[in-house]
Amino acid sequence: SQTIHQWPATLVQPVGSPLSLECTVEGTSNPNLYWYRQAAGRGLQLLFYSVGIGQISSEVPQNLSASRPQDRQFILSSKKLLLSDSGFYLCAWSVRGVETQYFGPGTRLLVL
Amino acid sequence: QKEVEQNSGPLSVPEGAIASLNCTYSDRGSQSFFWYRQYSGKSPELIMFIYSNGDKEDGRFTAQLNKASQYVSLLIRDSQPSDSATYLCAVNMYSGGGADGLTFGKGTHLIIQP
Repeated sequence: SQTIHQWPATLVQPVGSPLSLECTVEGTSNPNLYWYRQAAGRGLQLLFYSVGIGQISSEVPQNLSASRPQDRQFILSSKKLLLSDSGFYLCAWSVRGVETQYFGPGTRLLVL
Repeated sequence: QKEVEQNSGPLSVPEGAIASLNCTYSDRGSQSFFWYRQYSGKSPELIMFIYSNGDKEDGRFTAQLNKASQYVSLLIRDSQPSDSATYLCAVNMYSGGGADGLTFGKGTHLIIQP
């Protein structure tokens, strides 16, 4: 069966510090991978998606970036965090050719 | 601009009754529709998906889709206290392999009262 991992589970960072969140999927190959953010009082917002190694599509202009160095690894980064980057960051995967997405446990980020 | 609208609630339903959750979407080209359940502090978990007009049943859950009215709903029969959660409606414009992400509504907070 497929499993998706995210770490860390929670993170408190000062404004201006860098960020690296990691997501890995087990039990499948060539998945589509997604990063979403859920901010307080707002819905889930798609940030990035990837259909393969090194292939990243960005949905929202921001100070975040994503990378996919390996088939089942997806990384979300920032060079300098803003207060507005606080939120619940969710990684999701789907089988190539299927729309249904499955979410990881999420990382709760608080920027102070 | 793809938008998905849901009543934020809270929607309070007595235990054992039918809970009805509604969702409208703006993009007439949308072709696949999903319902997720999210408990407080947890990530969303998939309940059902539906692609075709009509009803789709899975246990106590029934998804209903009306593309002409751009409306999708979720019925929960025999509601249990464990069904208390936020229910997220999500829409994908493409079916058959699109890699685009989902557009989510803000969710409806459902409370099942014992």
